[in-house]
Amino acid sequence: NAGVTQTPKFRVLKTGQSMTLLCAQDMNHEYMYWYRQDPGMGLRLIHYSVGEGTTAKGEVPDGYNVSRLKKQNFLLGLESAAPSQTSVYFCASSSLLGDEQFFGPGTRLTVL
Amino acid sequence: AQKITQTQPGMFVQEKEAVTLDCTYDTSDPSYGLFWYKQPSSGEMIFLIYQGSYDQQNATEGRYSLNFQKARKSANLVISASQLGDSAMYFCAMREGKGTDKLIFGTGTRLQVFP
Repeated sequence: NAGVTQTPKFRVLKTGQSMTLLCAQDMNHEYMYWYRQDPGMGLRLIHYSVGEGTTAKGEVPDGYNVSRLKKQNFLLGLESAAPSQTSVYFCASSSLLGDEQFFGPGTRLTVL
Repeated sequence: AQKITQTQPGMFVQEKEAVTLDCTYDTSDPSYGLFWYKQPSSGEMIFLIYQGSYDQQNATEGRYSLNFQKARKSANLVISASQLGDSAMYFCAMREGKGTDKLIFGTGTRLQVFP
């Protein structure tokens, strides 16, 4: 089992460019999440999904969109990147009755 | 208001000693869960331990134990017999209610273990 994987691991964007971060999990989990981690702060929830075809806003959703077309994948999109979106992005998943969230290795994004 | 508070930005402990990392939380939901995650310098988030609000006993996982004091709204992590490999950032997190499993994280404590 690969667990939770994220693509890409690193990316540098220019202001105004767009990109999509891919998260995949092979544990058949219902719930998936996107967090961002900034220096000196804990992880903050951007968007989450409680099942295929559903998404919802988290704590810091502005500037991001998500889609969950397949149960195993959760995509995070930046339509027009801004320097304030420079961060490390973590994807996580959990099961309906589970307690633990399993995290991916993270994607380090720099917006110039 | 902060939902999860970790007041110790950094902690030092000598190898083989025990260390307590503090975490206080704020919620009015009677059903919640408390988590501790470890983030080494490599960056991944590693789940350590979980405590449910209705659990009668403090959670333990190997060298990790959670000192859960419900009335004080605290969920401190105790690491016994510290090892050099325990040097990392430690995050406390809370899940309120059931249904979405959304986690709210504290700002973390950097633990450094010295020989």
